[in-house]
Amino acid sequence: EAGVTQFPSHSVIEKGQTVTLRCDPISGHDNLYWYRRVMGKEIKFLLHFVKESKQDESGMPNNRFLAERTGGTYSTLKVQPAELEDSGVYFCASSQSGGYYGYTFGSGTRLTVV
Amino acid sequence: DQQVKQNSPSLSVQEGRISILNCDYTNSMFDYFLWYKKYPAEGPTFLISISSIKDKNEDGRFTVFLNKSAKHLSLHIVPSQPGDSAVYFCAAISGNQFYFGTGTSLTVIP
Repeated sequence: EAGVTQFPSHSVIEKGQTVTLRCDPISGHDNLYWYRRVMGKEIKFLLHFVKESKQDESGMPNNRFLAERTGGTYSTLKVQPAELEDSGVYFCASSQSGGYYGYTFGSGTRLTVV
Repeated sequence: DQQVKQNSPSLSVQEGRISILNCDYTNSMFDYFLWYKKYPAEGPTFLISISSIKDKNEDGRFTVFLNKSAKHLSLHIVPSQPGDSAVYFCAAISGNQFYFGTGTSLTVIP
């Protein structure tokens, strides 16, 4: 069974540009989560999808971040325009039931804004 | 406002000895606690969990202890092995949301 796949694995962009991160959850997992780890700090929740619906987006930092999950399969997280403080590692996770059991993380996308 | 804290950013232990990683939390509504292990360039992987109604859970070389009155949990690894070298994240669950600590980087010295 394929795990949670994220790409790109690394992205370096200039301040003001746009970047789109993609997450492919484990097939059949209705729950999809985005997290972010800024350098040396905790991994912080961004938002939670159940199928294509946003269940909880309380962790989204501001309106420069837009997450979508059209069709309830893969998800994208767009940052537009990117700022220096957006640099960090963005993790995606998925689960079938919504609980911690079977909650699987992807390997993350390291975003560097210069 | 950080609800889960790991105050030791790093820890070094000799192979064969015990590793003790600590975690404190502030929210008494957390009902599940987990430890995740992370290697470089990989996502966190689940290691062990404990329900808030228990005070100890053991799985092989890994034991998690929960002290609810102190809002403190710890992960014991014994004996420590070089392959245990990684960053360990403490996490707590409230609803569907995970709250993570900042991680402790464990180095097991051969």
